Amino acid sequence: EVQLVESGGGLVKPGGSLRLSCAASGFTFNTYSMNWVRQAPGKGLEWVSSINNRGSSIYYAESVKGRFTISRDNAKNSLYLQMTSLRVEDTAVYYCSRDDKMAPALGIDYWGQGTLVTVSS
Amino acid sequence: DVVMTQSPLSLPVTLGQPASISCRSSQSLVYRDGNTYLNWFQQRPGQSPRRLIYKVSTRDSGVPDRFSGSGSGTDFTLKISRVEAEDVGIYYCMQGTHWPGTFGQGTKVEIK
Repeated sequence: EVQLVESGGGLVKPGGSLRLSCAASGFTFNTYSMNWVRQAPGKGLEWVSSINNRGSSIYYAESVKGRFTISRDNAKNSLYLQMTSLRVEDTAVYYCSRDDKMAPALGIDYWGQGTLVTVSS
Repeated sequence: DVVMTQSPLSLPVTLGQPASISCRSSQSLVYRDGNTYLNWFQQRPGQSPRRLIYKVSTRDSGVPDRFSGSGSGTDFTLKISRVEAEDVGIYYCMQGTHWPGTFGQGTKVEIK
């Protein structure tokens, strides 16, 4: 069974930093690209970042480019999102998701339960 | 970016009755390989999203056959043949053809 478990969310002040983690199990992690998608309170879904299976291709939404860094450790079956210079508008539930290996741009077949990041003074 | 527009945004339905959600894209979602990468997700209250349908009309494993997807080009539809109580939630379309992938605003399905 595919499982994605996020951690690391919490309350942080504007301008602060936070590192999210996602522990993957139930599939061969090093053969899948992975994504972060966020959902602001009461709002819709927004793609944040993607990384290919080897970590050699990385993409970011314009809204987080230069502030967020996606990475992975295939030996630990883990995905990460380092968030710096956080803004109030980054407040959201952050979901780790697995790429479905089909779509050229974005394909998601499994989602984690999410971790809440709140940016507030 | 490709804009995905869903309608309606709110859909009150009677149990046992059909429901239909429309999703339109600002440009064609047909990729050069001939496939159309349009997905539908269900998000039940308090839960993370779950994929129901991919490539317009293929149901994921375990998805009841009362859910069906159709459409082509820029116009797509998710239909629920007979709404059940467990279908309450928000439904999102998402395109994966053009970079970056984008989502519709969501359609909230509730029971009348």
